[in-house]
Amino acid sequence: GIQVEQSPPDLILQEGANSTLRCNFSDSVNNLQWFHQNPWGQLINLFYIPSGTKQNGRLSATTVATERYSLLYISSSQTTDSGVYFCAYYNQGGKLIFGQGTELSVKP
Amino acid sequence: KAGVTQTPRYLIKTRGQQVTLSCSPISGHRSVSWYQQTPGQGLQFLFEYFSETQRNKGNFPGRFSGRQFSNSRSEMNVSTLELGDSALYLCASSLGGPPYEQYFGPGTRLTVT
Repeated sequence: GIQVEQSPPDLILQEGANSTLRCNFSDSVNNLQWFHQNPWGQLINLFYIPSGTKQNGRLSATTVATERYSLLYISSSQTTDSGVYFCAYYNQGGKLIFGQGTELSVKP
Repeated sequence: KAGVTQTPRYLIKTRGQQVTLSCSPISGHRSVSWYQQTPGQGLQFLFEYFSETQRNKGNFPGRFSGRQFSNSRSEMNVSTLELGDSALYLCASSLGGPPYEQYFGPGTRLTVT
């Protein structure tokens, strides 16, 4: 299957800093999603972004399907942004295949 | 719209027992997928049900099974529990067709002792 590589694996930020999380794929993928897993384990939808750029408040995402990567930008980070960020793609039939995640810690 | 709900939220079982987890999807969603999350293996797909039929299946042993009811609610059953089954079990609902965007419930944390 298509391999998903997320970078960096861990990230520590000071509150107010900006960051970019990356997701690389070994082949072209369709229908990519970004999630934030909070400390209680819930996976929260951030973006469903097969291609192009989307923005939601301080967060934005860009997927360049032809180049096989997606980026998640977090601006003016807050302590509540802490948690694990996952990218995932839908393989044939609609199974979600997840990356290993980026663990973000935002310090006050 | 109410989100995806899962019950129970926490569960402690003993090796050899069986367990049933429940998931209620978002109203109007016909697809329910189940995932297992462990520190070692990450998030892994278990199976997907659509209109009461298993449509997709991951690479898990037959001890893991599920079903879906006519109201789209789904249950997952694990028989003969093993220590390695300790995990966070997440269910997700979606329309079942394009767009395939899935919405996750809060999860059931299962501990097997």
